[in-house]
Amino acid sequence: ETGVTQTPRHLVMGMTNKKSLKCEQHLGHNAMYWYKQSAKKPLELMFVYSLEERVENNSVPSRFSPECPNSSHLFLHLHTLQPEDSALYLCASSQETRARNEQFFGPGTRLTVL
Amino acid sequence: GQSLEQPSEVTAVEGAIVQINCTYQTSGFYGLSWYQQHDGGAPTFLSYNALDGLEETGRFSSFLSRSDSYGYLLLQELQMKDSASYFCAVSHYSGGYQKVTFGIGTKLQVIP
Repeated sequence: ETGVTQTPRHLVMGMTNKKSLKCEQHLGHNAMYWYKQSAKKPLELMFVYSLEERVENNSVPSRFSPECPNSSHLFLHLHTLQPEDSALYLCASSQETRARNEQFFGPGTRLTVL
Repeated sequence: GQSLEQPSEVTAVEGAIVQINCTYQTSGFYGLSWYQQHDGGAPTFLSYNALDGLEETGRFSSFLSRSDSYGYLLLQELQMKDSASYFCAVSHYSGGYQKVTFGIGTKLQVIP
């Protein structure tokens, strides 16, 4: 595996379900991110982990709960979501010490909340 | 806070040249990046400008004017495969660490 991988690629869940999104990066980067992408909106930064420590929350509702067990893995735990949470969830990684902070994105998880 | 403005849609003819503009407001500015995203795909990095001037990478060039808080992406010899969304993004220092803030994206349609 190379780059940034995400599973599952598609997820349909009810509002009472609990599910988790998984992200893995094979680039040796020291920072990982969760973004939400909705139609006609900018990419919204949800969470940032730098050196496995969460440094940014960005006022995300508590029904989204991130976990970063090590520098290569990132999870997004979902529970009691709302239909408006349906979106593409993108994981990214970067080498934060480089000024340009180039983001390497995974393919995303297309989430539909019924 | 940070804000970026770019056109929502642009249409151009195959073989032509198109310029996508981006203006931004931010503090702790490091540089301006451009990303490409095809429908159903992930954003991929295209270019980064930290200093004023033009950076050229093949058919794509990117320009930055720090004094004007303005940049653009120039695509030459357009091909049908260039149809995609293009995001400008500012790298900046905020809250003790570096982060990237993205614009809303410009959907480019290349027509025959």
